[in-house]
Amino acid sequence: NAGVTQTPKFQVLKTGQSMTLQCAQDMNHNSMYWYRQDPGMGLRLIYYSASEGTTDKGEVPNGYNVSRLNKREFSLRLESAAPSQTSVYFCASSEVLAGDTGELFFGEGSRLTVL
Amino acid sequence: DAKTTQPNSMESNEEEPVHLPCNHSTISGTDYIHWYRQLPSQGPEYVIHGLTSNVNNRMASLAIAEDRKSSTLILHRATLRDAAVYYCILRVRYGQNFVFGPGTRLSVLP
Repeated sequence: NAGVTQTPKFQVLKTGQSMTLQCAQDMNHNSMYWYRQDPGMGLRLIYYSASEGTTDKGEVPNGYNVSRLNKREFSLRLESAAPSQTSVYFCASSEVLAGDTGELFFGEGSRLTVL
Repeated sequence: DAKTTQPNSMESNEEEPVHLPCNHSTISGTDYIHWYRQLPSQGPEYVIHGLTSNVNNRMASLAIAEDRKSSTLILHRATLRDAAVYYCILRVRYGQNFVFGPGTRLSVLP
């Protein structure tokens, strides 16, 4: 079972370059999320998609764009990378079940360094 | 989103029980209490969650205070593999935003 798959796992960018982080889940979940984690910190929500065709801003959306390509895939784009975006990025998915909130399933993370 | 407060770090000896506390004094009636843990260099993984009653699963137990203003995650016998950062999170029913604080870093001593 693959679960949540993120690519790439590592990336080094120069300031001003653009890139897209890809995320795919095979659990048929409706909801998908992008988080970032800075050293020694908890995770902060960047964007989420409650269902196919919808996206919403989280706590720290500035400098990022997202696309919910289909039910399986949710991508995160950095249009003009900045050193402050150096972080580990996690994609997650969940299913909001009737009467319950559903658990989050996380990918292994993508470590991004912006020079 | 309601806020949670956890100790920055805790230590335990291997094979002993561990009680990880969490305060959430501003919890509302529709907030579920979730616990996740993050092993080194991995994404967080679900541990347990509950609303009002105590909960048990194969990984841990969750004890929720009667007033719901605090909860405790109980690992019955700590192993070296349980060394991780543990996050206590409140999630509104059907809510989309899990808010992760800094969590508690648990060290397990052999």
